Amino acid sequence: AQKVTQAQTEISVVEKEDVTLDCVYETRDTTYYLFWYKQPPSGELVFLIRRNSFDEQNEISGRYSWNFQKSTSSFNFTITASQVVDSAVYFCALRKVNNNDMRFGAGTRLTVKP
Amino acid sequence: ETGVTQSPTHLIKTRGQQVTLRCSSQSGHNTVSWYQQALGQGPQFIFQYYREEENGRGNFPPRFSGLQFPNYSSELNVNALELDDSALYLCASSPKTALQETQYFGPGTRLLVL
Repeated sequence: AQKVTQAQTEISVVEKEDVTLDCVYETRDTTYYLFWYKQPPSGELVFLIRRNSFDEQNEISGRYSWNFQKSTSSFNFTITASQVVDSAVYFCALRKVNNNDMRFGAGTRLTVKP
Repeated sequence: ETGVTQSPTHLIKTRGQQVTLRCSSQSGHNTVSWYQQALGQGPQFIFQYYREEENGRGNFPPRFSGLQFPNYSSELNVNALELDDSALYLCASSPKTALQETQYFGPGTRLLVL
């Protein structure tokens, strides 16, 4: 069975703080994809990153960085120097390579206060 | 490049009624997936259409059905509406099939069943 757990329901930080959103997943597959999406109040899911299970290299994109650790089944997301515009619900998701069913976590609501 | 669009944005129905939601895929994308997102939860995969054929289905009853048209736009139909069908319905499109490609989401349709 596939499962994604985002243990942090809500996080509140002050602008310019760094914040890490945790994601732990369960799967019996050896190959799979991991994703992060951002959902602002408008409701639209905005794609942030896709990671293949065979590529454990961490990635940085501007203020965003992702730490993929296959040994601990974690795919954590860090925002450096957070901004008010980062306030949103963030979802981690898992998908098998040969399956269309993308499993999402319950999401983490991030509030960045000025 | 036009993104994924959905209509209507909001809808109110009563129990037992039927509803049709519409999605126009992003230009160049031939695969459409539908998700249901209940309040405070992550999206759940309903089904996917590729080249007008259903290409995978999640754990939803048969009263959830869909169509994809030659221009790759899609409809989600829900019959015999139940109160628990109240949710945000998200459509996502991707090129080829979603097996290897990232899905890009529309703004969603908020359905309220009274």
